[in-house]
Amino acid sequence: EAQVTQNPRYLITVTGKKLTVTCSQNMNHEYMSWYRQDPGLGLRQIYYSMNVEVTDKGDVPEGYKVSRKEKRNFPLILESPSPNQTSLYFCASSLSRGLGQPQHFGDGTRLSIL
Amino acid sequence: DQQVKQNSPSLSVQEGRISILNCDYTNSMFDYFLWYKKYPAEGPTFLISISSIKDKNEDGRFTVFLNKSAKHLSLHIVPSQPGDSAVYFCAASRNTGNQFYFGTGTSLTVIP
Repeated sequence: EAQVTQNPRYLITVTGKKLTVTCSQNMNHEYMSWYRQDPGLGLRQIYYSMNVEVTDKGDVPEGYKVSRKEKRNFPLILESPSPNQTSLYFCASSLSRGLGQPQHFGDGTRLSIL
Repeated sequence: DQQVKQNSPSLSVQEGRISILNCDYTNSMFDYFLWYKKYPAEGPTFLISISSIKDKNEDGRFTVFLNKSAKHLSLHIVPSQPGDSAVYFCAASRNTGNQFYFGTGTSLTVIP
């Protein structure tokens, strides 16, 4: 089954404790992206990757890191999480960046930073 | 600065009637628009899209209309069904860019 898998689905942690949210897709997609969803703000793009070893900042990259060492994986790293990073996070992928390529989303990761 | 806006946070419609969800954008450089549907505890799923060279795209019960001069697009669902109850996001992108910009979402409730 074609899918984007995120782990964990839920995480409660404390300020400053490094965490990684994993994202994996099995569709051989080139383009991958991370979003956060907050009330009243919709989905905002954090980082995206056009292909292996090619990543770039989205609208809200502060406090986040990403890497793309393999085509299928695109982990989101919070080196020193803070309460304002409490949010619902989605990973997405698409065949390419080209127009007309809809993104496939994972089911989300709800992070609570205390 | 929100470049894609959905000014109606919620909408309720009777089953069988038309649902119209609206989306406005500020960046005239956007040339591709998509609608996604999201159920609770799931990620958004792609619904329908439209290129800026068109003013209408239809897929079954779903039609998207684009008015470039007004920087406005709308999603029509006819007839609405209870299973259409979800949050709908519009999104926009530029042909020369690599980012996607999403609206804040509209929660649609279809009343049986």
